Amino acid sequence: GQNIDQPTEMTATEGAIVQINCTYQTSGFNGLFWYQQHAGEAPTFLSYNVLDGLEEKGRFSSFLSRSKGYSYLLLKELQMKDSASYLCAVRPRGGADGLTFGKGTHLIIQP
Amino acid sequence: NAGVMQNPRHLVRRRGQEARLRCSPMKGHSHVYWYRQLPEEGLKFMVYLQKENIIDESGMPKERFSAEFPKEGPSILRIQQVVRGDSAAYFCASSRTPGANEQFFGPGTRLTVL
Repeated sequence: GQNIDQPTEMTATEGAIVQINCTYQTSGFNGLFWYQQHAGEAPTFLSYNVLDGLEEKGRFSSFLSRSKGYSYLLLKELQMKDSASYLCAVRPRGGADGLTFGKGTHLIIQP
Repeated sequence: NAGVMQNPRHLVRRRGQEARLRCSPMKGHSHVYWYRQLPEEGLKFMVYLQKENIIDESGMPKERFSAEFPKEGPSILRIQQVVRGDSAAYFCASSRTPGANEQFFGPGTRLTVL
């Protein structure tokens, strides 16, 4: 089966740093994705990891450990507009596949 | 450079009616994925299509739901005899290649069944 776990909700302060964790148990692995979703809107792509290590892209970084079935999304210099849901998703098999999503982490940024 | 387009954005149906949701992938993309998002739930994969072919429909309910992606025109997700439990946001995503490192999502269709 497929199982992806991430915290339901997190709160952080404007200007600070927050780390959103994601653990997964899937029948296979061919990449892990992070998406941002504001309420009522489409998910927008943030990052993709297929090899172990850290991928940095501006204020956002994503880390993957395949042996631990673990990833995190790191957001720096938080802004109010970062208040959103953050979705962790795994592509279980090689090639063409739909993504398996976690339920998302609702991030609240406080002034 | 238009992104993934979905219409209608909002759809209201009464129980027993049919719902048709349309998705036009990004230009140059021939791989389409449909997902459903129930309130307070994560996105759930439903079906993956290429032009004129259903590649993976493992997430599609066995009854009342069907999908197509014809040679010309948008991909269509069809729900027959809708029930209240079908009320959800339905998102379409597209990619250029099967193993692409990104799936681009459309704005979604919010289906409400009365």
